[in-house]
Amino acid sequence: GAGVSQTPSNKVTEKGKYVELRCDPISGHTALYWYRQSLGQGPEFLIYFQGTGAADDSGLPNDRFFAVRPEGSVSTLKIQRTERGDSAVYLCASSNIAGSGYTFGSGTRLTVV
Amino acid sequence: RKEVEQDPGPFNVPEGATVAFNCTYSNSASQSFFWYRQDCRKEPKLLMSVYSSGNEDGRFTAQLNRASQYISLLIRDSKLSDSATYLCVVNPGAGANNLFFGTGTRLTVIP
Repeated sequence: GAGVSQTPSNKVTEKGKYVELRCDPISGHTALYWYRQSLGQGPEFLIYFQGTGAADDSGLPNDRFFAVRPEGSVSTLKIQRTERGDSAVYLCASSNIAGSGYTFGSGTRLTVV
Repeated sequence: RKEVEQDPGPFNVPEGATVAFNCTYSNSASQSFFWYRQDCRKEPKLLMSVYSSGNEDGRFTAQLNRASQYISLLIRDSKLSDSATYLCVVNPGAGANNLFFGTGTRLTVIP
């Protein structure tokens, strides 16, 4: 597509539930990133994919968070046993050159109640 | 210490004013630098890259001071549409593939 697409745009879930957030990057971009942004903060790095593999997952806060990109295009961020502290905007970005300027999607606003 | 530090503001300036933002970065090996703009409840968008020699794009000028490890953004002749949060962004280098974002500086241009 023309831009990075993220779905859903908003997700409200109950504490303890499992959620999946989807990202469809710009066609041809091999680098894909997930970030999390809390109110009043800058985006915080979670995980980076180069092709199908997670090249750097050092930003994932704990083992409740997991992400996949099985065919090197669409990626899914999965959060198990959600907690209220997981509430944030989850941003996906893609780039054709790792470490260069990204294009972000419009994000998924996750609210855990 | 945070990778990137910015004054969160807010900066409230009248239309037509010149305003400057600075940020500092902690890793002297950092290779790439950017300014992003983020409107309320929107995603960050790349405003401009920052080059060692300094660069200008219309009313916007970005500069890098490697010795002092700071980056600046100057906006001349401020417009109401410049109201946004400006994020300072750094690639820490040494093979890093991700970018580190500051907390952002909020600018409001007042009529």
